[in-house]
Amino acid sequence: SQQGEEDPQALSIQEGENATMNCSYKTSINNLQWYRQNSGRGLVHLILIRSNEREKHSGRLRVTLDTSKKSSSLLITASRAADTASYFCATDAGSGNTPLVFGKGTRLSVIA
Amino acid sequence: EPEVTQTPSHQVTQMGQEVILRCVPISNHLYFYWYRQILGQKVEFLVSFYNNEISEKSEIFDDQFSVERPDGSNFTLKIRSTKLEDSAMYFCASSKVVGRGEKLFFGSGTQLSVL
Repeated sequence: SQQGEEDPQALSIQEGENATMNCSYKTSINNLQWYRQNSGRGLVHLILIRSNEREKHSGRLRVTLDTSKKSSSLLITASRAADTASYFCATDAGSGNTPLVFGKGTRLSVIA
Repeated sequence: EPEVTQTPSHQVTQMGQEVILRCVPISNHLYFYWYRQILGQKVEFLVSFYNNEISEKSEIFDDQFSVERPDGSNFTLKIRSTKLEDSAMYFCASSKVVGRGEKLFFGSGTQLSVL
């Protein structure tokens, strides 16, 4: 399975601190995406990193990808209470119509 | 900003009953998906749909499940005879194209409770 697995399962930090979430996967990928899910809501795309990229930034988000270790990390800097959500990585390993495969997610709680 | 809409937001049904979950994908999107999430668990792929036919389906998507695009805007998921284990949040998603790097746009989900 190419399924991503995030760790930790849950993370609690103080506002202003950085939050780091990790994702591991099992097979080669074309790209890896991170999504956010607020409680009881749908998933929202955050950022995509391609297999030939090692790092990508978007605002307070920083994503790294290590294809040799089959892992990715999502760093949220200067966290805010509004960042409280679940974060999922999703992998796209095939061609054509291969669907995105999501992990179990990391539940992030940012305490004000 | 255009969004995927799902109705109803909550559905309660008795075991063995049929349910239809409805979705309106973003209007210029061509690929449609159903995912589900059992409480606290991973988001699981069910089925993808393009050009009025199923593109891919997972092992979860057995004969009890079907999808349809009855008109130009709606995309539905039908569960013929619900089981207790079908209780989950069902998400519809759409994308402009499919393949490398295409992001999905998700609806807010339908919480299905089978009693």
